[in-house]
Amino acid sequence: SQQGEEDPQALSIQEGENATMNCSYKTSINNLQWYRQNSGRGLVHLILIRSNEREKHSGRLRVTLDTSKKSSSLLITASRAADTASYFCATGTYNAGNMLTFGGGTRLMVKP
Amino acid sequence: GAVVSQHPSRVICKSGTSVKIECRSLDFQATTMFWYRQFPKKSLMLMATSNEGSKATYEQGVEKDKFLINHASLTLSTLTVTSAHPEDSSFYICSARPSGTVDRGGYTFGSGTRLTVV
Repeated sequence: SQQGEEDPQALSIQEGENATMNCSYKTSINNLQWYRQNSGRGLVHLILIRSNEREKHSGRLRVTLDTSKKSSSLLITASRAADTASYFCATGTYNAGNMLTFGGGTRLMVKP
Repeated sequence: GAVVSQHPSRVICKSGTSVKIECRSLDFQATTMFWYRQFPKKSLMLMATSNEGSKATYEQGVEKDKFLINHASLTLSTLTVTSAHPEDSSFYICSARPSGTVDRGGYTFGSGTRLTVV
């Protein structure tokens, strides 16, 4: 079942601008992950943040996690046209199989 | 890095036929693999968890007789869509994770299979 909700569902920005996507979830988690999906393709893992972490950086990506509000944000700085894709958050729990539960996704379009 | 190969990438079949989709972990062993279904412009919905050497665990609402899962080895899981109908048309994605990597992300996804039932 789908746990997370992402906001906004779609985002259109100009190249060079920053893009912020938000994710909310409902249950306790052990980690939260962000994935990228180009149209009609598989998913690429971007970054993982553990429940005891508040912020994490990777290149132009910055992820925050607020467990009290059960929310996370993904910031892409200095966006490029190649960043155009769908971005999903997924929560991980140490239950049977360690499965991921995905949010609804944000479709990002970066205009050159 | 860990690579998951999914095959075929695209398949068109007639109503009533069965289609088999393969998911292989190429350079690691995966005791657990996951099968997702994705509708256009929608998120991934977990269908089932595939366990090597045992029965798959299906999510609520997923017909196990319709979507047969076999995980006969540590590197291969298959999803068979039986007696396919047009409403089964979708994008199916598998994922796997090397043991002990859950805290480092570690989930690797196949490139997906676009199934069209005509």
